[in-house]
Amino acid sequence: SQQGEEDPQALSIQEGENATMNCSYKTSINNLQWYRQNSGRGLVHLILIRSNEREKHSGRLRVTLDTSKKSSSLLITASRAADTASYFCATPGGDKIIFGKGTRLHILP
Amino acid sequence: DAMVIQNPRYQVTQFGKPVTLSCSQTLNHNVMYWYQQKSSQAPKLLFHYYDKDFNNEADTPDNFQSRRPNTSFCFLDIRSPGLGDAAMYLCATSRGPLDGETQYFGPGTRLLVL
Repeated sequence: SQQGEEDPQALSIQEGENATMNCSYKTSINNLQWYRQNSGRGLVHLILIRSNEREKHSGRLRVTLDTSKKSSSLLITASRAADTASYFCATPGGDKIIFGKGTRLHILP
Repeated sequence: DAMVIQNPRYQVTQFGKPVTLSCSQTLNHNVMYWYQQKSSQAPKLLFHYYDKDFNNEADTPDNFQSRRPNTSFCFLDIRSPGLGDAAMYLCATSRGPLDGETQYFGPGTRLLVL
């Protein structure tokens, strides 16, 4: 299966700290996406990084992609309470994308 | 604002009683997807439509059917819901079925089976 695997499964940090979560996958890809899901809601697209990009930024988000290691990381800087959510990486699978199991991030006040 | 809308947000049904979930979009996207998501799990793709072409995932139970009468609307029919079908059902859209196309999600319908 092409399903990515996020690590850690759950993460709790203090507000203001940085949060890092990782995604590993098995086969070559041409892009990788990250999504956020607040509790009881749909997923929201955060960022897409292509295989020819090593790093991409969007506001407080920084995503890296290492195709040689088949891994990606999502860094959220200066975390806020509103960042509490599950974060999923998604890899292409033909005419669809395949979501990993997610990292549950909890920001402590 | 362009968006994906799901109704109802919460649906309660009885074991074995057919239920229909609806999704509409104002994005004019070609592709619509239905996912099932159980607690603390990844969304699981049930099927998707590329325009009128229906694509069923191999492991989607026969109990689940879908209809797309036009570009804007897509329905998920569960013919005989079982207790194991209780989950969040997510509708999503994308412009095309290309590898890794960004998907836009609705807020989901939480289904409870009594």
